[in-house]
Amino acid sequence: SQQGEEDPQALSIQEGENATMNCSYKTSINNLQWYRQNSGRGLVHLILIRSNEREKHSGRLRVTLDTSKKSSSLLITASRAADTASYFCATAPSQGGSEKLVFGKGTKLTVNP
Amino acid sequence: KAGVTQTPRYLIKTRGQQVTLSCSPISGHRSVSWYQQTPGQGLQFLFEYFSETQRNKGNFPGRFSGRQFSNSRSEMNVSTLELGDSALYLCASSPNEGSGGLAKNIQYFGAGTRLSVL
Repeated sequence: SQQGEEDPQALSIQEGENATMNCSYKTSINNLQWYRQNSGRGLVHLILIRSNEREKHSGRLRVTLDTSKKSSSLLITASRAADTASYFCATAPSQGGSEKLVFGKGTKLTVNP
Repeated sequence: KAGVTQTPRYLIKTRGQQVTLSCSPISGHRSVSWYQQTPGQGLQFLFEYFSETQRNKGNFPGRFSGRQFSNSRSEMNVSTLELGDSALYLCASSPNEGSGGLAKNIQYFGAGTRLSVL
C-alpha cells in the first residue's frame, strides 16, 4: 500500500513561477526523499532529508519536513520547461535494514514555456 | 560509471505466458530492488535483494519471483501472466552498506521494462 500521498495530483504553471508539492505519510520514517520521473522513464533522485532535519536546499529545490504532521513539501523555484515531470516522495521506514522505499502516487508538474 | 541497465525495454506477452526481466546494477552496488508501476496503483515495491539473498518482499502473489547473482545482477520472473500485470517494471540499485548510513537508502533507477500482456 502507498504510504505517501502527494498533493496536488497535477500542477500546471508558467516558466519562471515557483511550484510547490506536498507529501503526507503515515508511519515513522528514517528519511524522506523526492524523486523525479520524466514520462515513462526511470526515477531520478533529487534530494534526501533526514527525520531530524527540518529544511534542506539543493540548487533550485527546497524541501521541508514536519515529522509532527508527517508531511513534507518540495518547492521548485524559477521553474523551467525542463522541470516538466512527475514528482514522487518516498519514505524509508525507521525500522529494518533494507532499502525498501514506499512511494506516493506523485504530482504531475507541467511547466508551460 | 554506467547506470542501471534493464533489458529488454519493451515486451509483449499473452496471458498465461511467463516472462523474465533483467537488471544490471551500478558497479559496486550490492542491493537491487524491483518496483511495479501502473497508472492505478502507482509505484509498488516487489522485492529487494542484497548479496544474493531476498531481504524484503512486497505484497505480490507468488507468481512474482526474483533472484540475484554473485555479480549483483538480478532477474525477476512473472509466471502465468495476467492482463493486470501490464506495467512498467523498474529496477533500482543502492550503494554498498559501507558508503554511509543514509547513502544506502538512495536508489538509482533504470529506465524500466514496459510489459504489455494481451
